Parts: sequence; C-alpha cells; structure tokens
Amino acid sequence: DTEVTQTPKHLVMGMTNKKSLKCEQHMGHRAMYWYKQKAKKPPELMFVYSYEKLSINESVPSRFSPECPNSSLLNLHLHALQPEDSALYLCASSQVQGTVNYGYTFGSGTRLTVV
Amino acid sequence: LAKTTQPISMDSYEGQEVNITCSHNNIATNDYITWYQQFPSQGPRFIIQGYKTKVTNEVASLFIPADRKSSTLSLPRVSLSDTAVYYCLVGPVQAGGGNKLTFGTGTQLKVEL
Repeated sequence: DTEVTQTPKHLVMGMTNKKSLKCEQHMGHRAMYWYKQKAKKPPELMFVYSYEKLSINESVPSRFSPECPNSSLLNLHLHALQPEDSALYLCASSQVQGTVNYGYTFGSGTRLTVV
Repeated sequence: LAKTTQPISMDSYEGQEVNITCSHNNIATNDYITWYQQFPSQGPRFIIQGYKTKVTNEVASLFIPADRKSSTLSLPRVSLSDTAVYYCLVGPVQAGGGNKLTFGTGTQLKVEL
C-alpha cells in the first residue's frame, strides 16, 4: 500500500457544525501533515506530527484541532468554521531513513465548503 | 527557511524538453531540494529530490550547481499530461521526520500540441 487515503472527498458543513476529516496511511511513515490549499494558491502547512506527537502548529486557529491516535491515522476536527475556511485540505506523510527524507506522499484531499 | 523563486508560468509543446529553474539564494547547508507536481484538485506528487550535482529518475532530472543557490528540473519530451503546477521546495531534513517544508508559488506548465 503506497497511498494516503483521505475521507470524505467532499464535505459541506454549516458554521455551527462539528465534523472531522480523516487521513490514513499504511506505509509505516512516522511523520504526518495537514495542509490547507485555497484555489490557485500553494498548499499552506497547518500541522506536523512526528512519531504521533504534535511537533509543529503553524498558528492555526483553535477551531481546527488535529489528532493522531496512532501511527497510521491522522484526524482533523472542525468546529465553528467560517466560510473563508473553505478549501482543499490535504494530508501527507513521510518516511525517514537515516537523515534523508524521501519526500512526502499526499492524499487527494478533502474539498471542504463552509456555508 | 530558504525562500524559493520560480517562474509563474511556462508554455511548451509536446515532445520538447522543459527546464524549470528555481532560485534559492539562502539555502542552508542541511537543506535538500525537492520538486512536486500538482494537478487540479489533487494532492502534490513527489517528483525528485537532491542535495547536490545531478539526480535522475524515471520521470525527471534535477541539476544542482556547486553553489546550490539554484536548481533546474528537467522534464524530457513532455506530453499534454504534464500540464500541471510544479513546486520547488527547499528545507531541512530531520532524522525524526516532521520536517517543515513550505511551498512557494509554483510554476504553471502548459503543454500544447
């Protein structure tokens, strides 16, 4: 298995809803990431988990809450989002061999629309 | 983190070789250079990574001069399916993973018949 699987592929939620995005990989990667991408813009890093611990939070608003229950799973819990949070949310993972990182593997993303 | 500069867009024709150059003047000693390809509404796809000189794989080559202040992604004989955004990323690699790679603006490559 060489994929990162993200569910759902599309999500429409109201500003008072609570929803979660899920990301799963079975490649044995020990670093996992959440990115946010607006239309015609590059992906922006949100969170980094390394060995199931949060190592980087790029000053993301608290309405986004990441969780890494185990080495294969990464969640992003959403609560009280704003319409401007509508974007493509990408999950990625990476492996490390020695000190060389062989690149990220990205999922296809969740297209989130906040209404 | 090293900042990268790439052309905003490039146009080419099928069968031609395309070279996309990325400038990263303040690259650090422990930084690697990585290129990704992204199609609309899909996640970026890893193309190639290097530290110095030349790296080649089945889809591309990466040329890095001795001063490492720039790099060039070379795509041989492009086809329509190579139309995508190409990102150059520069950043450190940590043994424990979780390195912080930041995407630049990317280069929109358009391949025509």
